[in-house]
Amino acid sequence: GQQVMQIPQYQHVQEGEDFTTYCNSSTTLSNIQWYKQRPGGHPVFLIQLVKSGEVKKQKRLTFQFGEAKKNSSLHITATQTTDVGTYFCAPSNFGNEKLTFGTGTRLTIIP
Amino acid sequence: KAGVTQTPRYLIKTRGQQVTLSCSPISGHRSVSWYQQTPGQGLQFLFEYFSETQRNKGNFPGRFSGRQFSNSRSEMNVSTLELGDSALYLCASSPQGLAEAFFGQGTRLTVV
Repeated sequence: GQQVMQIPQYQHVQEGEDFTTYCNSSTTLSNIQWYKQRPGGHPVFLIQLVKSGEVKKQKRLTFQFGEAKKNSSLHITATQTTDVGTYFCAPSNFGNEKLTFGTGTRLTIIP
Repeated sequence: KAGVTQTPRYLIKTRGQQVTLSCSPISGHRSVSWYQQTPGQGLQFLFEYFSETQRNKGNFPGRFSGRQFSNSRSEMNVSTLELGDSALYLCASSPQGLAEAFFGQGTRLTVV
């Protein structure tokens, strides 16, 4: 079955530094979603990637889907304190309607 | 448009008891998924319902069950509670299974 690894598990960065989290699958994905969960909050949808090699940007956030559709990354440029939280990838496989989540990367910002 | 509503927000139960959690999805959403979130295990998929039918199930024991009503509202039940069932239970709704999921605030269950 599908195995998904999300790395790193934790990341502490100085405010203003960049941050990247990676999601790697053992199988080819049909698409991948990314969510952010603030401390004490619930996951909130950020984006969905569908096409091989797709790159999408949301202000300081850049999302990539690998050419082989087996991995994805989320990159934040010049982090701010509002970026604090846990970032989850949610990969999907063909023919499976189940939305499962990666282990998440918890980002903390040092002011 | 009202968001996903979960009730109750907090629950304290004793080992061996059972509990029922409720989720009202966004109007028009037919898919409801349930997740268990714990610090050590992350977001674990419990089950997904679509138009009153369970389409997918995660790797949880039979003590965990759910159902969906004709108005798409969903309930999950945990019987014979164990200490390890203490967690945040999150419900998410979407128009269909793999579309953007909208989460409720969750129910924090503590088993003592």
